[in-house]
Amino acid sequence: SQQGEEDPQALSIQEGENATMNCSYKTSINNLQWYRQNSGRGLVHLILIRSNEREKHSGRLRVTLDTSKKSSSLLITASRAADTASYFCATLDNYGQNFVFGPGTRLSVLP
Amino acid sequence: DVKVTQSSRYLVKRTGEKVFLECVQDMDHENMFWYRQDPGLGLRLIYFSYDVKMKEKGDIPEGYSVSREKKERFSLILESASTNQTSMYLCASSLEGGAGNEKLFFGSGTQLSVL
Repeated sequence: SQQGEEDPQALSIQEGENATMNCSYKTSINNLQWYRQNSGRGLVHLILIRSNEREKHSGRLRVTLDTSKKSSSLLITASRAADTASYFCATLDNYGQNFVFGPGTRLSVLP
Repeated sequence: DVKVTQSSRYLVKRTGEKVFLECVQDMDHENMFWYRQDPGLGLRLIYFSYDVKMKEKGDIPEGYSVSREKKERFSLILESASTNQTSMYLCASSLEGGAGNEKLFFGSGTQLSVL
């Protein structure tokens, strides 16, 4: 069952601009994670935000979590061409056992 | 850094062949997972294992089996490959936890084409 769903499906911006991606989920969570995937490669963990946190930063990444709206957003500031990738949010499934990923947001950063 | 190694980046097989996808992790992780990734569908869990010789079905186990004889190795087996199993296959591992606080470490993926 699909828990997380990213929005938009695709995003194209110029280098230097900020990129915002959103994730909505259905059930209560302990935490929510964001992953990045370069084309044709595996996923890389970016950041984990716990259910009692509202905002978290890591370098140029800023993640927010609104448990009342069951949503999270990932902001990449001052984007670079190297940020071009797909971004996924992940939450636990309904049984609290395994991670469920949404279809992802494809980000293109144009030089 | 944790390394998760998948044996092949690209694989081309014929319909009906038995296919083995191998995955090895080097950080003594308890948990290992196999996902497949298809355009527009995201990642879907095929099988997972929380311990040696233990395996559990994920969301789409049909047509697949797995083997975990050693802690570091988790193999995905396609008993009789079919064209609808053409996909990117991703192996992942994580530390023991079960509360979801652990993060997943992924291999580079195997792009399997079944002709």
